[in-house]
Parts: sequence; C-alpha cells; structure tokens
Amino acid sequence: GAVVSQHPSRVICKSGTSVKIECRSLDFQATTMFWYRQFPKKSLMLMATSNEGSKATYEQGVEKDKFLINHASLTLSTLTVTSAHPEDSSFYICSAIQRLETQYFGPGTRLLVL
Amino acid sequence: AQSVTQLGSHVSVSEGALVLLRCNYSSSVPPYLFWYVQYPNQGLQLLLKYTSAATLVKGINGFEAEFKKSETSFHLTKPSAHMSDAAEYFCAVSAGAAGNKLTFGGGTRVLVKP
Repeated sequence: GAVVSQHPSRVICKSGTSVKIECRSLDFQATTMFWYRQFPKKSLMLMATSNEGSKATYEQGVEKDKFLINHASLTLSTLTVTSAHPEDSSFYICSAIQRLETQYFGPGTRLLVL
Repeated sequence: AQSVTQLGSHVSVSEGALVLLRCNYSSSVPPYLFWYVQYPNQGLQLLLKYTSAATLVKGINGFEAEFKKSETSFHLTKPSAHMSDAAEYFCAVSAGAAGNKLTFGGGTRVLVKP
C-alpha cells in the first residue's frame, strides 16, 4: 500500500512553454500532498503544501504564479510550471500523507527546459 | 523550527561491514524522525520512522535507528552492508504531532565496496 505515482517521469520542453506534472496517490486518499524540488547531488527543498479543495501554501521564495498547484481531488495534485526557463530544470518530487505523520514519495519527474 | 544535520556527505563501506549514518536534529517540539533512501533517478523510499513510541526502531532491509533525546541524534545502522545498499540516504524531522512538514538533512551517499 501507500503508492504514489507521478507523470510524466521526464519531460523536455522549450523555454516559454508550460509543463504540467501530475501526482497521484494510487491506493489511499491523501488530504495533503507536498511538492519538492531537488537539485543535482542536493537535498530536497519543499516548494509548497497542497491541501485538497483549498489553495496551496507556498514556502518562502517560491513564486506561486510560476509554480501553480491544484489539488482537485483526494488522489490527485498537479504542479504546472508556467513559462518555463532553463533555470527551472530540475527533479520535481511529490509526496502524499496517508496517516498523520508519514509522507510517501512519488518517483519524481525530471524536467529539462531548453 | 526544525533542522537536521547529517555528518558526512559520503560514506564508503566494504560489503559485509557495519553501516553507520549519523543524523542530529534540533526541534522546538517533540519530533518525529524519518530515514529515507533514494536510488538514482527515483523518489524516496521510507526506511523507518520514530513517532514517540519505542526509541529503537527497526525498518526495512535490515536497517535500524535509535532515538537518543539526550544526544538529539537518530543514527541509522545496518550490521552488514550489501551491494544493494549503495544509495543516497536522507534523515528528516517533522514537528511531531504539531505538524507534518518535513525538514531534510543534506543527505549521505553510501558506496559499498566489494
């Protein structure tokens, strides 16, 4: 149990376009999902907390208009990188809360902006 | 506020030898503590967690960790390393029952020599 999927696993896009990444909890309902960004050989940086049916809470320094998060159902949250630029290239990972204390992570999405 | 320090960004062990990964934390409230493992180009997999029950926690793949409040530590050990243990390991802390946002340490990359 507690499986989280992400789609796509990797995406290449042109600068200026938008990219949507999906995060799904496959076998449980997740009232809260998290989005992280990971730079090469670095730790995870929390970008935002996504609660079903309400607006996401962004961490300091994360542009909410650039990284749009929607948590439309108890099993799906999406991250849209708008007007992507090469500096947005990164590994994006989502996680979902099953019980109160444990986050289960998706396999990640590698974004390359050309 | 919470923070995590992982001593040693790289650890090299021989196959069959003890694996010891160090994690120290600071927290203004009773913490929950986690160890995750990340294989290349993948998400994070939960190894084990401490949530205020037994201080010695056993996880998957033969790993265990001991919560020591007096030392503010949560070191991860495995008696005998296997080649498949080569990966990146992250220690993380949350604010216990007061919240579920994770703060990660910088990670420790484990290399297993045959």
